[in-house]
Amino acid sequence: QKEVEQDPGPLSVPEGAIVSLNCTYSNSAFQYFMWYRQYSRKGPELLMYTYSSGNKEDGRFTAQVDKSSKYISLFIRDSQPSDSATYLCATPDRMTTDSWGKLQFGAGTQVVVTP
Amino acid sequence: DSGVTQTPKHLITATGQRVTLRCSPRSGDLSVYWYQQSLDQGLQFLIQYYNGEERAKGNILERFSAQQFPDLHSELNLSSLELGDSALYFCASSPYSETDTQYFGPGTRLTVL
Repeated sequence: QKEVEQDPGPLSVPEGAIVSLNCTYSNSAFQYFMWYRQYSRKGPELLMYTYSSGNKEDGRFTAQVDKSSKYISLFIRDSQPSDSATYLCATPDRMTTDSWGKLQFGAGTQVVVTP
Repeated sequence: DSGVTQTPKHLITATGQRVTLRCSPRSGDLSVYWYQQSLDQGLQFLIQYYNGEERAKGNILERFSAQQFPDLHSELNLSSLELGDSALYFCASSPYSETDTQYFGPGTRLTVL
């Protein structure tokens, strides 16, 4: 079982809709969570970084962490065709100090926003 | 543009061969990370170097090795290549060793025929 599980999609939405993306994680000790966006044939870029439970908002993006259910979410409001990409959730491996650099990624969800 | 550069962009080679992928981190970053992205395994951490020293190791095959040089650029060496090694290889960098925010390069697409 992977440490972070994510539905690969694809998820197709019309322009202007809210995109809702989710991941579940296995270890309740995980506290830091990220969302990366990856355009086709490009490297992942960091979108959001959250710590522990709660919400974090940045423009049209909201990241949410529910530690009680080990569930993380990303919402994209007023979606645009330029939001079409693969979105990956990730968490660092903090189990030992030697592994802090290791990011554990979900499979990534492909999002298509149609005009 | 993240500031991380990788060369070459594409590499096509045959089974059994050896290749070297190169990464230059962002200016000032001391940590370099290597990841492999394939369709079936997703994005997998391979290895991390910090200021020339190996810092963390993931599921990196024994046929693969890496190093970080005094000027902080890094190379990933892949030998005895197999068809299953075909993937995108990403390098990322960060300022320190225990930094969650990693900046990814554009990747090297390796095709093994």
